[in-house]
This record gives sequence, C-alpha cells and structure tokens, in this order.
Amino acid sequence: DTGVSQDPRHKITKRGQNVTFRCDPISEHNRLYWYRQTLGQGPEFLTYFQNEAQLEKSRLLSDRFSAERPKGSFSTLEIQRTEQGDSAMYLCASSSVGRVNYGYTFGSGTRLTVV
Amino acid sequence: AQTVTQSQPEMSVQEAETVTLSCTYDTSENNYYLFWYKQPPSRQMILVIRQEAYKQQNATENRFSVNFQKAAKSFSLKISDSQLGDTAMYFCAFMKDNDYKLSFGAGTTVTVRA
Repeated sequence: DTGVSQDPRHKITKRGQNVTFRCDPISEHNRLYWYRQTLGQGPEFLTYFQNEAQLEKSRLLSDRFSAERPKGSFSTLEIQRTEQGDSAMYLCASSSVGRVNYGYTFGSGTRLTVV
Repeated sequence: AQTVTQSQPEMSVQEAETVTLSCTYDTSENNYYLFWYKQPPSRQMILVIRQEAYKQQNATENRFSVNFQKAAKSFSLKISDSQLGDTAMYFCAFMKDNDYKLSFGAGTTVTVRA
C-alpha cells in the first residue's frame, strides 16, 4: 500500500473552466475526507464520505463543487466554472471508522491555480 | 465551532537546539483529541503526535513531546535536538470525541539552521 494518492499534483486552469481531481485512499480505509488549504492557512474541512455515502458537506462547498466516491473506492472532486478564489491546495485524507481519533493519513494534495 | 490558534507564524532554530511551538484552542467539550501535524515543503502532511484530553500524561514521540494544559486549553509542541529534516510547517489540530472533522490552526513555519 502506497498511502493516499492524489492526481494531479498541480493544475493550472483558466477562469471559467471545469477541473476534476482524483484521490485514491488507503485501500482498507472506509472514510475519505476532502480539505482545502489556502496560502498561509490551515486546512479547512470540505466534505467526507463513509464508503460511497457523502455524509457531510461544509458551507465552503458551493454549488460549483461536487464530490463523488463511486463504489466506496477512489473519490473525485470537481469544480465547475472555476474562479480565482478557488486557487488553493486540495487535500484528500482517509481513515478507518474505528481509528479516526488517531488522525488521518493525508495525500500530497493537488495545487490548483486559476488564472 | 472549535477555534485553534497558533500565535507564532515563524520560528527559527539552530540545528541540535530545542524549539517550542505554541497552540491554544477554544472548546466547551470535555473529551477531545489534539494533534500536531508536520507539512514539509511540497510534501504530504504527516502526523507527529497525538494527545487524548482525558489522559493527563503528556504524549512523547522520540524527539517530539507536548505540554498539554487542559485547564488553560494549551497544547504546545517541543522539538528537541532539532534536525534539518524538521524544517516544515507545523499545524495544531483539534477533534471532538465521536467526531471526524479536524479543526486546524494557521500553522507555524519552522526553519532549522545548519
């Protein structure tokens, strides 16, 4: 197991374009989380899945954002009609239900730049 | 919502010296978990140390130790015998018991000088 993988590592897009990021969690982890980290700030919670069910979405997740986790495996985060304010690092993390209080395993993140 | 405050944006330390990072938090919960995460430049965030609020004993992981003061809602991290590889941004984080969300502070950038 190679940990949590995120793809791509970097993405530059023009304002108004759609982008999609992928996260592959640790295989035995049934919980998957998305966080957003802007420059000079700590990560902020966006959404989380338990298996394939999306159980909570933050108010930060506007209608332009959608996340999926088909079959409870990998997850995708799509941003439609990107805005400059969407520029950030998008972090994915995973954990198992019984050990969430032991902290997550994070991926390396996808850095999005909207120009 | 829980608030986590890291009042030191940047810290610099000489190799082999000790540095202490401060963290305070605001909560009305009695049971919770506190974490320090390390985020090296362009690399993934990794867990450094974890503390359970109902345990009075301070957690220790090799050169990393915490000073947990529950009444003061303070959770500082001490890095002893600093190494060049300790250069990173360090985040303090809070999680309520029976919850799954982490609330992070703004981070402290630690630079270890040779």
